[in-house]
Amino acid sequence: DTGVSQDPRHKITKRGQNVTFRCDPISEHNRLYWYRQTLGQGPEFLTYFQNEAQLEKSRLLSDRFSAERPKGSFSTLEIQRTEQGDSAMYLCASSPQTGHHNEQFFGPGTRLTVL
Amino acid sequence: AQKITQTQPGMFVQEKEAVTLDCTYDTSDQSYGLFWYKQPSSGEMIFLIYQGSYDEQNATEGRYSLNFQKARKSANLVISASQLGDSAMYFCAMREASGGSYIPTFGRGTSLIVHP
Repeated sequence: DTGVSQDPRHKITKRGQNVTFRCDPISEHNRLYWYRQTLGQGPEFLTYFQNEAQLEKSRLLSDRFSAERPKGSFSTLEIQRTEQGDSAMYLCASSPQTGHHNEQFFGPGTRLTVL
Repeated sequence: AQKITQTQPGMFVQEKEAVTLDCTYDTSDQSYGLFWYKQPSSGEMIFLIYQGSYDEQNATEGRYSLNFQKARKSANLVISASQLGDSAMYFCAMREASGGSYIPTFGRGTSLIVHP
C-alpha cells in the first residue's frame, strides 16, 4: 500500500494522559500536514511541514500539542495532558512539492476519544 | 467571515440522477485553487477535482464536474449519474496563493445520500 498511513486508527485515553500519533506520508511527498476534524465540521489545519521543517502552525495548536518530522519522512503528533475537548479525528495528509495543483492525499485518520 | 460556505447540510438524490452540491468562497486573492473532497464513513478524505482561478474551462473528472462561476465566487460540484457508492460527506476547500501558503481552508461539508 503506497498511500498515507496513520497509527493508531483509534485511541481511547483518560483525561490528563499523553498520546502520540504517527503519520507515514507517501514516500516521495515532501509536504506533510496535520488536521483536526470534529463532528459536523470540515478538517481544521493544525500544522505543516516541508521536509523536516515545521513551516506553519495554527493558533489551534496549543502548547500541549507538539509535532515533529525528524528526518523529513514520518511525523508524530503528541498531545500532552489531554482534555475532553481534544476528542476528534486527527487527519494527516501529504503532497508533492511539484505538481499542477498540489492536491493533498489524506490518511485514514486517528480517532481520539478522551474520557 | 467564512472563507468557504456550503449551505446544504444534507442532500438526497435518486440513483442515476445528477446532483449539484453548492460551494461559495470568499477571497481577495487573484490566484487561488478550489478543491472538492469526498469523505465516506470510513473517514478517509478522497480528492475529487481541482479548479484554478485562472482556468478558463470548468474542470471535469469522470462523473465529477465543477461549475466555476468566478464573478459569483461559486464552485459547485456536479455529480452525474449518481451511484450508491457516492453516499458520503463532500467538502469544498480553497487554497489562496497569498503568503505562499499551501494550506487549504475547508467548508463544513454536505452529506449526500443516494437512494436506490
